[in-house]
Amino acid sequence: AQTIHQWPVAEIKAVGSPLSLGCTIKGKSSPNLYWYWQATGGTLQQLFYSITVGQVESVVQLNLSASRPKDDQFILSTEKLLLSHSGFYLCAWSLGGSSYEQYFGPGTRLTVL
Amino acid sequence: GQQVQQSPTSLVLQEGENAELQCNFSTSLNSMQWFYQRPGGSLISVFYNPSGTKQSGRLTSTTVIKERRSSLHISSSQITDSGTYLCAMRVTGGNNKLTFGQGTVLSVIP
Repeated sequence: AQTIHQWPVAEIKAVGSPLSLGCTIKGKSSPNLYWYWQATGGTLQQLFYSITVGQVESVVQLNLSASRPKDDQFILSTEKLLLSHSGFYLCAWSLGGSSYEQYFGPGTRLTVL
Repeated sequence: GQQVQQSPTSLVLQEGENAELQCNFSTSLNSMQWFYQRPGGSLISVFYNPSGTKQSGRLTSTTVIKERRSSLHISSSQITDSGTYLCAMRVTGGNNKLTFGQGTVLSVIP
């Protein structure tokens, strides 16, 4: 069975500090991976997606970057946090090819002060 | 403009009542998915339903691509059904991007 793990569960950070959020998929090789963000009370927005190691496509910028250093790992980061980065970050995966159903991780709640 | 419109925004049901949640799309879609969002925020896939009707227990989803709409029917609602229901669409050639609606907040009371 596939499992998706996100870390940390929650984070409180200062404006201007760096950030790194992680996502790991186990039990599925070469998945498509996605990062989403949801502001408090807001609509979920897709930020990035990746179909293979080393390849990441940006959907919405928000002064964040993403990387896929391994087949099963997806990292979201920034060198300088903004207040507007607060919210809920979700990682998701789907099978490759023509299968588009997405499955989500438990999420990371980020508070920027 | 908003590509995915969900209605109603919120809904209160007495336990045992039925609910019909709607999702309308302003553009042609390739596939769509219904999610349940837990109070803590994580998403559970309820239906992946590109077209037609699917049923799982008390839940039924119907997607009509030509009419750019999808619905989620909950029968005999239970208190544990309470939460936020989200629909999301993938457009043709959309690079796997899911565009979400703003959600329907469902409250089932005794």
